[in-house]
Order: sequence, then C-alpha cells, then structure tokens
Amino acid sequence: DGGITQSPKYLFRKEGQNVTLSCEQNLNHDAMYWYRQDPGQGLRLIYYSQIVNDFQKGDIAEGYSVSREKKESFPLTVTSAQKNPTAFYLCASSGTVQETQYFGPGTRLLVL
Amino acid sequence: GIQVEQSPPDLILQEGANSTLRCNFSDSVNNLQWFHQNPWGQLINLFYIPSGTKQNGRLSATTVATERYSLLYISSSQTTDSGVYFCAVVRGSQGNLIFGKGTKLSVKP
Repeated sequence: DGGITQSPKYLFRKEGQNVTLSCEQNLNHDAMYWYRQDPGQGLRLIYYSQIVNDFQKGDIAEGYSVSREKKESFPLTVTSAQKNPTAFYLCASSGTVQETQYFGPGTRLLVL
Repeated sequence: GIQVEQSPPDLILQEGANSTLRCNFSDSVNNLQWFHQNPWGQLINLFYIPSGTKQNGRLSATTVATERYSLLYISSSQTTDSGVYFCAVVRGSQGNLIFGKGTKLSVKP
C-alpha cells in the first residue's frame, strides 16, 4: 500500500532535549518536505530535499536539522535550540518539485 | 514574498447548501493546490490546478492565473465536508508550497 508514514503520532520533549521525527515514503518520489503548522494557521516550510544527499533550508529552519541519506526517508530533528517547538509537523513528498505534493498524517510535538 | 489570502476565514452552512471559497495570490505561480484538512489533521489533496477548471464529484475548482485567483466550489454540502480548506501555491523552481491561512467550514445537520 503506497503512501507516506510519519512516526510517532505524538511526541513529548523535555527541556534541552533533541527529538527526531520520522518520515518514510514508498512512492518513489524524489522530493520531500517538512512543514510546521501552528494552531489556526497555514503550514510553513522548515526544510526540503529535491534529491538524495541534498537539502535546503525553508522559511523557518532555525532550531531544526534534517538528513536525506535514502530516497524514501527524510527525518527531522528538533534541537534544543528551537525555543518554541510545540506544533503539528507534517511531511510531504512529490515526484519532482513541480508536481503534486502528498502529505503524511503528521506528528504532534508537545513540550513537557 | 508571495502572499496568499483566503476568504472567508470561517463559514457555517446547513447541510445541502452550496458554497464558494476564494484564494487570491499576489504574483504569478507555477502550481496551485487545494487541500482539505480533516479534524484529525490529515491534509487531503483535492485539486492540483495551476489554471483552468476541474471537477471531482460535488467539488470543483477554477483558477484564473492571469487575474491571480482560484475558487473552490462545494455543492450539496455534507457534514463530512467540515474542516479547514487550504489553498497553497508554488512560485519558482524550489517547489515548496506557500499556504494561505485557510477557510474553516462547519456543515450543520
């Protein structure tokens, strides 16, 4: 069954802790993206990757890091430098950067 | 950067009614998508429509690229249509979507 999976569904972070959100796709898409959604708002781009071993910062990259070692995987790390990490995080992928983007179910990150 | 404005911000309908949601954008775009976000947060693709008109069941969309707007029509609304509808555009070669703030639709039985 093709699609995009994200885990965990809920994640709790303690002060000063780094946490990693998983995003996997089996659609054979080249491009992958991470977005952040705050309550009552649209999505904002954190990082994107057009191809394996390459990624670019989006509008709100500070306090986040990513890697793209495999085509199907694009994990996002929320570092301790991100002072306001509580949000809903959505991963997306597309065949190329100009094609339709499809979204995973999201991860809700809460700070303890 | 490009601005995306959606209207109305909130909309309450009685089941069976029709509605039109609008998306204005401030510059030319390569791509425009409409999404429905359900109460669980899942973003569901509705249309990829940089220009022209498309229909899918009770939903249809029209984008007039030269006038920088897109419209989403929902006919014979159902309670399951409730949620937030987002318009998002792509400008340039990077591919990242720029989202509006959405229209929150509530359909009452």
